[in-house]
Amino acid sequence: RKEVEQDPGPFNVPEGATVAFNCTYSNSASQSFFWYRQDCRKEPKLLMSVYSSGNEDGRFTAQLNRASQYISLLIRDSKLSDSATYLCVVNRQAGTALIFGKGTTLSVSS
Amino acid sequence: GAVVSQHPSWVICKSGTSVKIECRSLDFQATTMFWYRQFPKQSLMLMATSNEGSKATYEQGVEKDKFLINHASLTLSTLTVTSAHPEDSSFYICSAPGTSYGYTFGSGTRLTVV
Repeated sequence: RKEVEQDPGPFNVPEGATVAFNCTYSNSASQSFFWYRQDCRKEPKLLMSVYSSGNEDGRFTAQLNRASQYISLLIRDSKLSDSATYLCVVNRQAGTALIFGKGTTLSVSS
Repeated sequence: GAVVSQHPSWVICKSGTSVKIECRSLDFQATTMFWYRQFPKQSLMLMATSNEGSKATYEQGVEKDKFLINHASLTLSTLTVTSAHPEDSSFYICSAPGTSYGYTFGSGTRLTVV
């Protein structure tokens, strides 16, 4: 079993749609959680950190459930520019390597 | 902010040759550098961790004699793919942890071995 598992993609949605991505992680000792965005084999870029209390950044909302080891990302009012691969990422300990999920591809069409 | 400069961005080489990829931290000291590899439609897989002044730590299944890592200074880590073969064609990317800006990534190197 992979340490980080994500929804299989791709997600094809129209502009304005709401889309949700799910992710589970297997190491209960994981300490930090993130969503990254990766465009067309470029470097991944941090979208947002994920906290148990839930956090929101504009149209993006992330949630962490430590008990079920589940992470989610909600994108509201999808834009064409949201088309990318979204990577669920965990960190076992500060300063150690990030562990990446396989990614879920989102394609937003007009 | 913290920047890691990675070169080259892309390289095409003949089978059997060696390729060196460099990652330089431009405005901070990177005592640790993580090296990842990403095949098409796959996740970034950690290959090895380089530490300034000591031997690199390789993940299971990664040949240390094939992927030579050197971290000679606090601002430079290199990955050399020796005797490259077509199956080594991939996207290689480095990342440095622990700056106030979080984890910083290089821009990646697309290696094609023909």
